[in-house]
Amino acid sequence: QVQLQESGPGLVKPSETLSLTCTVSGGSISSSYWSWIRQPPGKGLEWIGYIYYSGSTNYNPSLKSRVTISVDTSKNQFSLKLSSVTAADTAVYYCARGSGCYLYWGQGTLVTVSS
Amino acid sequence: EIVLTQSPGTLSLSPGERATLSCRASQSVSSNYLAWYQQKPGQAPRLLIYGASSRTTGIPDRFSGSGSGTDFTLSISRLEPEDFAVYYCQQYGSSPGTFGQGTKVEIK
Repeated sequence: QVQLQESGPGLVKPSETLSLTCTVSGGSISSSYWSWIRQPPGKGLEWIGYIYYSGSTNYNPSLKSRVTISVDTSKNQFSLKLSSVTAADTAVYYCARGSGCYLYWGQGTLVTVSS
Repeated sequence: EIVLTQSPGTLSLSPGERATLSCRASQSVSSNYLAWYQQKPGQAPRLLIYGASSRTTGIPDRFSGSGSGTDFTLSISRLEPEDFAVYYCQQYGSSPGTFGQGTKVEIK
């Protein structure tokens, strides 16, 4: 059973860079695509982007200029960096397995953008 | 990008009743790559249906998905207490994948 766990700061200042890591257990990261999805408080879901274990990526055009997703196969982890954050980036950030629909999700981590 | 519009926004029903949720796409969903998720407060979404009508392993058969092209439906034949939640549709046939705004199924 694949399990995913997000980690990273829960508070980020405006204009700074949000950084999160997803650790995959119960399976190898070198077998699938891996995605980041976010959900502002009380709102719907937004796909951020995905990465293949080889390093190829695809990002949501609405965030593309600010997003970088990377993978570390030696640690079975993948990461999200979102630059120049504003209050609008406050959300629960989920990592998930896949590039289409998502069967396996992390529990989510709330990131608040505030000074 | 494809915009998904879910209706109604809120559905007030009693346990044992049938729920019918709609998801309409702004353009045809490629290969009917349409999924449905259930989300409860404080939890990650749970994949119920993929490919418009295929149930994920372990999902009760009271949940069924149908539709094609631009119009899709999630039906719950007899609501159980644990079914009261928010439901999202998602299309993954075109990039970027997009989600509907959700339908809340609440206890009447």
